[in-house]
Amino acid sequence: DGGITQSPKYLFRKEGQNVTLSCEQNLNHDAMYWYRQDPGQGLRLIYYSQIVNDFQKGDIAEGYSVSREKKESFPLTVTSAQKNPTAFYLCASRRQGRTGELFFGEGSRLTVL
Amino acid sequence: GIQVEQSPPDLILQEGANSTLRCNFSDSVNNLQWFHQNPWGQLINLFYIPSGTKQNGRLSATTVATERYSLLYISSSQTTDSGVYFCAVERRDTGNQFYFGTGTSLTVIP
Repeated sequence: DGGITQSPKYLFRKEGQNVTLSCEQNLNHDAMYWYRQDPGQGLRLIYYSQIVNDFQKGDIAEGYSVSREKKESFPLTVTSAQKNPTAFYLCASRRQGRTGELFFGEGSRLTVL
Repeated sequence: GIQVEQSPPDLILQEGANSTLRCNFSDSVNNLQWFHQNPWGQLINLFYIPSGTKQNGRLSATTVATERYSLLYISSSQTTDSGVYFCAVERRDTGNQFYFGTGTSLTVIP
């Protein structure tokens, strides 16, 4: 089935460690996105990419990094510079063009101990 | 960016009741979507509705783009409708970014 797969679903890390969240899609979508959600809050955009080897910062990019080496993959690294990394991370993708419905993966829940 | 406001923030309904959720946005938009976030956190697509009216079973949505709002109607609510409903909007000249509201948390009690 086509879809967006995020892994791991749950992740614990110690302060000062970097961690990479995986996002893979087989929908042949051009654009991919990473959002962060804190308890009781809406979604805030971290990074997005519209084509391979190109990406743009969203509203809260500090302390995060991404790469887009393949169309189907958009991993997110949460670095030790991110001051409050405990959150729920959601990856999304969409077809480019005039219309393009946004679809989400199941999310990854990161807890910093 | 675009400001997106959703109301009410919280809603408690008896099973079988109807409800209307509202999404106001601060500027003209090209795209608008409604999502339901289930208790496990997954966002489920409900409607892609930049304008007009759509219906899907007990749910329907209307977007009046010229007046910058959208409404989501839930009829004959069921306990499985519980969760958080998000509205997200996009304007192409903002770099294909979607902006999310803070959501309406719906609880349907039996």
